[in-house]
Amino acid sequence: NAGVTQTPKFQVLKTGQSMTLQCAQDMNHNSMYWYRQDPGMGLRLIYYSASEGTTDKGEVPNGYNVSRLNKREFSLRLESAAPSQTSVYFCASSEQTRSNQPQHFGDGTRLSIL
Amino acid sequence: GESVGLHLPTLSVQEGDNSIINCAYSNSASDYFIWYKQESGKGPQFIIDIRSNMDKRQGQRVTVLLNKTVKHLSLQIAATQPGDSAVYFCAENNAGNMLTFGGGTRLMVKP
Repeated sequence: NAGVTQTPKFQVLKTGQSMTLQCAQDMNHNSMYWYRQDPGMGLRLIYYSASEGTTDKGEVPNGYNVSRLNKREFSLRLESAAPSQTSVYFCASSEQTRSNQPQHFGDGTRLSIL
Repeated sequence: GESVGLHLPTLSVQEGDNSIINCAYSNSASDYFIWYKQESGKGPQFIIDIRSNMDKRQGQRVTVLLNKTVKHLSLQIAATQPGDSAVYFCAENNAGNMLTFGGGTRLMVKP
């Protein structure tokens, strides 16, 4: 049971380069999320997808785009990477957004932008 | 704005002792709370949750207590083991039904 799988695990980019972070879940969850985690700060929501075919902005969406490819997959794209986007990115999923159910996380993508 | 926070950034305990990790929240509309454990290089792992209509919930070696009067949440770990060393986050399901996370407390277990 893989749960939430993120690829790649590590990536180094130059400023201005673009990149897509991949996420897939095998729990048949409806909702998926992208967070970033920075030192000394809690997880901050970038974008989420309440269900297949919908996406919405979270707390820190600027500089990112997302695609809910199907029920299993939710990708995060950086069109023009900036050093401020150096962070650890986590994907999560849950059965629904509007229910008291926990979110389950992947192991993260560690992204450095030079 | 309203937020979830933690009183102690680092907690050091002796192996075998009980650990208590605290969390304060300020959103009175929150009705669901979760504790996560995050080990180095890993994603947050769900430990236990509690709904606002409860004040206590027990799991395996863990207990979560919720005091809505003072907006306080705690995680108790019984007989702390070296494998419990990690960062622990609390999270609340706020009025928008999104999770808001605290900054985390690092638990260090001394052998």
